[in-house]
Amino acid sequence: DVKVTQSSRYLVKRTGEKVFLECVQDMDHENMFWYRQDPGLGLRLIYFSYDVKMKEKGDIPEGYSVSREKKERFSLILESASTNQTSMYLCASRRDRFTEAFFGQGTRLTVV
Amino acid sequence: ILNVEQSPQSLHVQEGDSTNFTCSFPSSNFYALHWYRWETAKSPEALFVMTLNGDEKKKGRISATLNTKEGYSYLYIKGSQPEDSATYLCAPLTGGSYIPTFGRGTSLIVHP
Repeated sequence: DVKVTQSSRYLVKRTGEKVFLECVQDMDHENMFWYRQDPGLGLRLIYFSYDVKMKEKGDIPEGYSVSREKKERFSLILESASTNQTSMYLCASRRDRFTEAFFGQGTRLTVV
Repeated sequence: ILNVEQSPQSLHVQEGDSTNFTCSFPSSNFYALHWYRWETAKSPEALFVMTLNGDEKKKGRISATLNTKEGYSYLYIKGSQPEDSATYLCAPLTGGSYIPTFGRGTSLIVHP
């Protein structure tokens, strides 16, 4: 089975902190994604990576950056956390553009 | 940002009822459509990957149809059970993009 693992299930950070959300997949998938999920808004794409060191901005990239130095790991970085970044963050991966995505368990981030 | 509509937003049914949901999306440059089930405290899991106009997919009591010309897909659940309670998400890959855009989901609650 494909496994997508996010480093934390729950996280509380202070405003202004730099925050790293880590995601690792174990199936050699090419593509990886970061989404955030807010009540009533559904899953919104923050960043997408189609290969190592390759990334594309999604619909809501402002305030975020990403890093993909190795194929299995895709990190989401909040450069200076703000309260409006309090959300559920979901990482996903897929083998290629022809296949479905596999999701991590989510990280519920609270910025205080 | 693509406009992906799912209806209804939420649904309460009794055990044994059959139900269906709708996903509508822009039909221009359609590539594929995914359906996911997202149970509380779990990760979203793929139900179906659909690509062809007229596609019908089935998994147990759950089935889905696809109309790419008019831009909609239906998900049917026959004889709903409490374990079917979840949020059902559709994610078309359309408008020339190979990145799935998620609808806001339909929340289904099946009462015993």
